[in-house]
Amino acid sequence: TQLLEQSPQFLSIQEGENLTVYCNSSSVFSSLQWYRQEPGEGPVLLVTVVTGGEVKKLKRLTFQFGDARKDSSLHITAAQTGDTGLYLCAAPQGGSEKLVFGKGTKLTVNP
Amino acid sequence: DTAVSQTPKYLVTQMGNDKSIKCEQNLGHDTMYWYKQDSKKFLKIMFSYNNKELIINETVPNRFSPKSPDKAHLNLHINSLELGDSAVYFCASSKGRDYEQYFGPGTRLTVT
Repeated sequence: TQLLEQSPQFLSIQEGENLTVYCNSSSVFSSLQWYRQEPGEGPVLLVTVVTGGEVKKLKRLTFQFGDARKDSSLHITAAQTGDTGLYLCAAPQGGSEKLVFGKGTKLTVNP
Repeated sequence: DTAVSQTPKYLVTQMGNDKSIKCEQNLGHDTMYWYKQDSKKFLKIMFSYNNKELIINETVPNRFSPKSPDKAHLNLHINSLELGDSAVYFCASSKGRDYEQYFGPGTRLTVT
């Protein structure tokens, strides 16, 4: 089973600060997804990255897929309280139909 | 116009009971999934159906039985509930098998 390690596990910051969370593996992935889950709700897909070195932007969120397609990062600029949530990375497990999830980074943005 | 819906949202029941969770998607997707999220928020796949055919069956107790009457529905029946079954169960769907998944709001199951 390919493991996705997410760090940090918990992050608490003030509104307006910048932050980066990471998703790492020793395996190569064909693609990688980021989801955000708010309390009491299901995960919501934010982005899918496919190409090594790819950078995608979603407003204040910047996603990068590592050149070797083994890792990814999510950078948030000028965090807002609405960014609070559990950020999950996920990738298809090689040779199967399964999507494997990391354990997530729980982000709290304080006003 | 909810994309993926689950019922019930909350389910509290006693050990030994049998219960079902229903899921429906109106996205026209071909593939549906059941996930279990434990108290530490770890999300793990349980089952997947594509066009009503079971394609993923993880190592879950056979007390758990999914049923897909049609492409838009995937229900989960659980027999002889145990304390360890307490978790949040999420239904999801995707277009084909391209992995971008749309999740329902979850069903919080509490077994007492």
